[in-house]
Amino acid sequence: DTAVSQTPKYLVTQMGNDKSIKCEQNLGHDTMYWYKQDSKKFLKIMFSYNNKELIINETVPNRFSPKSPDKAHLNLHINSLELGDSAVYFCASSPVVGGGGGYTFGSGTRLTVV
Amino acid sequence: AQSVTQLGSHVSVSEGALVLLRCNYSSSVPPYLFWYVQYPNQGLQLLLKYTTGATLVKGINGFEAEFKKSETSFHLTKPSAHMSDAAEYFCAVSGNNAGNMLTFGGGTRLMVKP
Repeated sequence: DTAVSQTPKYLVTQMGNDKSIKCEQNLGHDTMYWYKQDSKKFLKIMFSYNNKELIINETVPNRFSPKSPDKAHLNLHINSLELGDSAVYFCASSPVVGGGGGYTFGSGTRLTVV
Repeated sequence: AQSVTQLGSHVSVSEGALVLLRCNYSSSVPPYLFWYVQYPNQGLQLLLKYTTGATLVKGINGFEAEFKKSETSFHLTKPSAHMSDAAEYFCAVSGNNAGNMLTFGGGTRLMVKP
């Protein structure tokens, strides 16, 4: 039973399209995150939600909009996709806000914009 | 604020040789420190973490790391490399108070030669 699951695993789409990535965790954690991993493997936090409330919103274009319907789900919607959005997006969760509890990561969604 | 520097984006060792992956951190508060491993096309898996207590931390797959405050380091070691250890390794730091998010280093690709 996967702890943090993301769908889809792969996403290929054209520039200008709108797409969503879904994330669900069954660990009972209060906090969820979206990270972006670029082509050089660098990981950068995008958003963090604690119990459905946004607590971290890094300098991400407002074309990216996270939504958390409940504390077990954190979805990422991207409008007007651009070539530079191509990356691997990771969802993660933790039992508490911040790094102390360690993060559990999903297996990633590889987004390719053509 | 926290930051992490991983020295060496690529490390190559022979099977059976010592593995040493270097990590230095910067933190304005006492740190929590982590090592994650990422196998090809997979998510990040926690190898080990330091929060408080013993400074030598043992993790999965025979890895260990030592927190050295005076050197602001958290190097990862394994006495004898195995082919299956070939992967990308990420060091990460967070502050020890709530709200401090995980900040990752740039990663080190470990290659194991037969």
